[in-house]
Amino acid sequence: DVKVTQSSRYLVKRTGEKVFLECVQDMDHENMFWYRQDPGLGLRLIYFSYDVKMKEKGDIPEGYSVSREKKERFSLILESASTNQTSMYLCASSPRAQPQHFGDGTRLSIL
Amino acid sequence: DQQVKQNSPSLSVQEGRISILNCDYTNSMFDYFLWYKKYPAEGPTFLISISSIKDKNEDGRFTVFLNKSAKHLSLHIVPSQPGDSAVYFCAARSLNNNAGNMLTFGGGTRLMVKP
Repeated sequence: DVKVTQSSRYLVKRTGEKVFLECVQDMDHENMFWYRQDPGLGLRLIYFSYDVKMKEKGDIPEGYSVSREKKERFSLILESASTNQTSMYLCASSPRAQPQHFGDGTRLSIL
Repeated sequence: DQQVKQNSPSLSVQEGRISILNCDYTNSMFDYFLWYKKYPAEGPTFLISISSIKDKNEDGRFTVFLNKSAKHLSLHIVPSQPGDSAVYFCAARSLNNNAGNMLTFGGGTRLMVKP
């Protein structure tokens, strides 16, 4: 069974802080994704990675960066957190061209 | 501009009846469509999918219908059960040279099945 683990379920940070969200998958998937979920807007893609050290911007990359140094781990970085980045963050992984498997999410509040 | 839209934010259905969730899209390049189900405090889980070359796919109580000319798909749940109460997301795939798949999600529909 696929397991996608996000390091924190809930996180509270202050504006201007640098925030790291971690995601680990145990199925040797090539692809990993970061989304944010907001009411009425569904899931919007921030960044994705199709291989180690490779990344591509999604629909809303502004204010975020990512890191993939190992195949199983994909990190989302908020360089300088702002209140409009308060959201639910979801990580997903998949083999190439297959349905994505999601973690349980991190609810991030920026005060 | 949302390329995938779920126009009903919520739907309430009696147990045992049919639930119909709808989804519209605008991009003709989408080649594959998926439905995900999400319970509170959990991540979305894949439910059912359909290729653009088909018009129907069935899996147990769940059937997805695709009308390409209308750019519309729907998810039918028959019979509906209280455990089906969740948020349902429609997603459409466009091909990406590197990842093979990129998903665009609709805004979600909250389904409530009353006992």
